[in-house]
Amino acid sequence: DTAVSQTPKYLVTQMGNDKSIKCEQNLGHDTMYWYKQDSKKFLKIMFSYNNKELIINETVPNRFSPKSPDKAHLNLHINSLELGDSAVYFCASSQLQGLTPGEQFFGPGTRLTVL
Amino acid sequence: GENVEQHPSTLSVQEGDSAVIKCTYSDSASNYFPWYKQELGKRPQLIIDIRSNVGEKKDQRIAVTLNKTAKHFSLHITETQPEDSAVYFCAASRGGRRALTFGSGTRLQVQP
Repeated sequence: DTAVSQTPKYLVTQMGNDKSIKCEQNLGHDTMYWYKQDSKKFLKIMFSYNNKELIINETVPNRFSPKSPDKAHLNLHINSLELGDSAVYFCASSQLQGLTPGEQFFGPGTRLTVL
Repeated sequence: GENVEQHPSTLSVQEGDSAVIKCTYSDSASNYFPWYKQELGKRPQLIIDIRSNVGEKKDQRIAVTLNKTAKHFSLHITETQPEDSAVYFCAASRGGRRALTFGSGTRLQVQP
């Protein structure tokens, strides 16, 4: 059973296009995240949702819009794609344990290439 | 916000040797420090974590130490094996609903 899944695994598209990445977790967690990993492997938080509520929105261009239809899903929509958006996007989930975050489980990643 | 620095960026050891990766953090309120291993083309996976009420934690060949006063924590891998070759990330969080802040990663290569 896949705990955190993402689709698609690879996404190649032209500049200016709009694309979406989907994420689903079957762990019953209440918090989901989107991270961006650039070509230098640096992992940076983009968004976090807790029980469908946006709780973290880092300095990300507003071309990126997360949507959480329910606790188990967190999708990422990107408008007007730019070359600099090329990266691997990881979805993750965790269960908050009081004041301390629990282990974050990562999805397999979506490699986005903008031409 | 939190800032996590990680050293070294690359580390090459001989099989059987020990490897040590060090991280420092800036937010004294951080209380959760996980370490993730990422193999080439794969997702990051948690290998060990430590919370601020503990100074050291061990799991077989892997150990993590935390010095809250100095705001640094380290990963120790003993008896390294070729399958330990990967990129290792440290991270820190002050808990609640805050996300992890990751270090820049250490590429560990274990030479057979």
